[in-house]
Amino acid sequence: QVQLQQSGPGLVKPSQTLSLTCAISGDSVSSNSAAWNWIRQSPSRGLEWLGRTYHRSKWSNDYAASVKSRMTINSDTSKNQFSLQLKSVTPEDTAVYHCVRDRTGNLVFDIWGQGTMVTVSS
Amino acid sequence: QSVLTQPPSVSAAPGQKVTISCAGSSSNIGKNYVSWYQQLPGTAPKLLIYDNNKRPSGIPDRFSGSKSGTSATLGITGLQTGDEADYYCVTWDSRLYASFGGGTKLTVL
Repeated sequence: QVQLQQSGPGLVKPSQTLSLTCAISGDSVSSNSAAWNWIRQSPSRGLEWLGRTYHRSKWSNDYAASVKSRMTINSDTSKNQFSLQLKSVTPEDTAVYHCVRDRTGNLVFDIWGQGTMVTVSS
Repeated sequence: QSVLTQPPSVSAAPGQKVTISCAGSSSNIGKNYVSWYQQLPGTAPKLLIYDNNKRPSGIPDRFSGSKSGTSATLGITGLQTGDEADYYCVTWDSRLYASFGGGTKLTVL
């Protein structure tokens, strides 16, 4: 079955870059039907979709307006994984971060990573 | 602040029916599919409904979804104590991309 395994630090200092990786098993980051997403959740902001990467005839990325200027999602086909980089973090970025498969590219979030609690604090 | 509006909480007795609304606009629900997710305490959200009214395999038919105009509704019949959870709607928004509702806490009295 499809599984997503997240890795990355749980503590990031303000103004630094938050980096998380999501390793995929049972599916391919190059899938022509799925999209690979990052979603975070905090008590103050609720569930917040951050962005996605997907491959059809070419690679594409979409980002939420709230993080577009600070966020990058990369895919690594050799390792079958995708990653999140969020620059210039503030305490407002403290949240549980999930990597998530969208099975069809139309918000069918059927497989979730285990979640990483990321705290932004000095 | 979410562009999709859900009631903060709903409640009903075991065995009863409950509906959870998700109000949007012509730029989101009005032109896109809606999905619904259930989040039990301490767990990741779980897909309940996609493409407005389709259930993934393994989701009982007690759960249903519908959409009309710029609003969507999740229905749950035969309520069980195990249905106590937070429920979220989500859809594409032409300005913000994917947008979740603020969530609704279901209490089974």
